[in-house]
Amino acid sequence: GAVVSQHPSRVICKSGTSVKIECRSLDFQATTMFWYRQFPKQSLMLMATSNEGSKATYEQGVEKDKFLINHASLTLSTLTVTSAHPEDSSFYICSAFDRTSSTDTQYFGPGTRLTVL
Amino acid sequence: GNSVTQMEGPVTLSEEAFLTINCTYTATGYPSLFWYVQYPGEGLQLLLKATKADDKGSNKGFEATYRKETTSFHLEKGSVQVSDSAVYFCALTFEGGSYIPTFGRGTSLIVHP
Repeated sequence: GAVVSQHPSRVICKSGTSVKIECRSLDFQATTMFWYRQFPKQSLMLMATSNEGSKATYEQGVEKDKFLINHASLTLSTLTVTSAHPEDSSFYICSAFDRTSSTDTQYFGPGTRLTVL
Repeated sequence: GNSVTQMEGPVTLSEEAFLTINCTYTATGYPSLFWYVQYPGEGLQLLLKATKADDKGSNKGFEATYRKETTSFHLEKGSVQVSDSAVYFCALTFEGGSYIPTFGRGTSLIVHP
């Protein structure tokens, strides 16, 4: 199946710093990418939908100035957690999807564990 | 709105036991249905899918049949292994719409030797 990578897999940072997480589709063009946040033992919470070449659409309650999303190419989307605080510590997962294909399957990245000290 | 309901976990089984994880959905129209698996510390992996009524998705010994009449997509496996221990998520999406998936809350499966 299609492969989606995320980098880094783990990151530890100090409070107040910014962290960038990359999501790449390796063997297909991802016209759409989704960013999720997952708390321990819970389901995925959709943060935003990112369409290539346009601004991301954020879900209610997600601060767009805090979680900056860029989807500048068909294979790369980035999530930047700005001025991170301990409450931003979480597991962040992206998924990628090609709207122009005949399948509506999303492919998920392996996730990024963010720990803010 | 759309919703997916999964049985509460954890489901605890002995190796080689039969597995059923129930999933029912509420949706207007005819969604595509998915099962994803998440191993500890990892992202989600697509396990199987079905796009229309009566379709059966299967992979790695797991099966699920799209039942429109009961709006269900129950996951089954005839003989589980310790390596199947993971969290399983049922989900739906609509082709031609926003494609934003609706996930169930996940069901943890623990398989003992």
